[in-house]
Amino acid sequence: SQTIHQWPATLVQPVGSPLSLECTVEGTSNPNLYWYRQAAGRGLQLLFYSVGIGQISSEVPQNLSASRPQDRQFILSSKKLLLSDSGFYLCAWKDRGNYGYTFGSGTRLTVV
Amino acid sequence: KQEVTQIPAALSVPEGENLVLNCSFTDSAIYNLQWFRQDPGKGLTSLLLIQSSQREQTSGRLNASLDKSSGRSTLYIAASQPGDSATYLCAVTPNGQNFVFGPGTRLSVLP
Repeated sequence: SQTIHQWPATLVQPVGSPLSLECTVEGTSNPNLYWYRQAAGRGLQLLFYSVGIGQISSEVPQNLSASRPQDRQFILSSKKLLLSDSGFYLCAWKDRGNYGYTFGSGTRLTVV
Repeated sequence: KQEVTQIPAALSVPEGENLVLNCSFTDSAIYNLQWFRQDPGKGLTSLLLIQSSQREQTSGRLNASLDKSSGRSTLYIAASQPGDSATYLCAVTPNGQNFVFGPGTRLSVLP
């Protein structure tokens, strides 16, 4: 069966520090991969999605970047965090067929 | 641009009640619609996925309907339980790739 792993679960980082969040998927190949952010009191915002290795689409210009070095690995990064980067970050994957999303357990990022 | 709204924003009901959560979307050209549940501080759990050609899907006490022409979906929860307390989100996709989410309905079921 397919599983999705996301880590760390919580993270407290100072302003200006770098960020690396990792997401991996098991039990499937060539999935679509997504990074979403959920800010306090707001809905889910799509940040990046990827349809293949090295293929990244950005939905919102910002302080963040994403990479897909392997088929089932999706990484969210920042060189210098801002206070506004605080939020709940969710990774999701989806098969190429007519199926829905499966989400990871999320990372709570607090920038101080 | 697709926009998704959910009514009500919050709902509090006594245990055992049947309830309906509403989801509306502005562009009826959707590929499919998905309902999720989110517990506080947790990720999203998929509840039901409705393909664009379907009218409804059922899973246990949950039933989701889809009316594409009117841009609406409802999630019906029968015989609600305290364990149903969570935020419920609906999401639609125009192309089967990227989903647009509603803001969610926060449900509290009181024992």
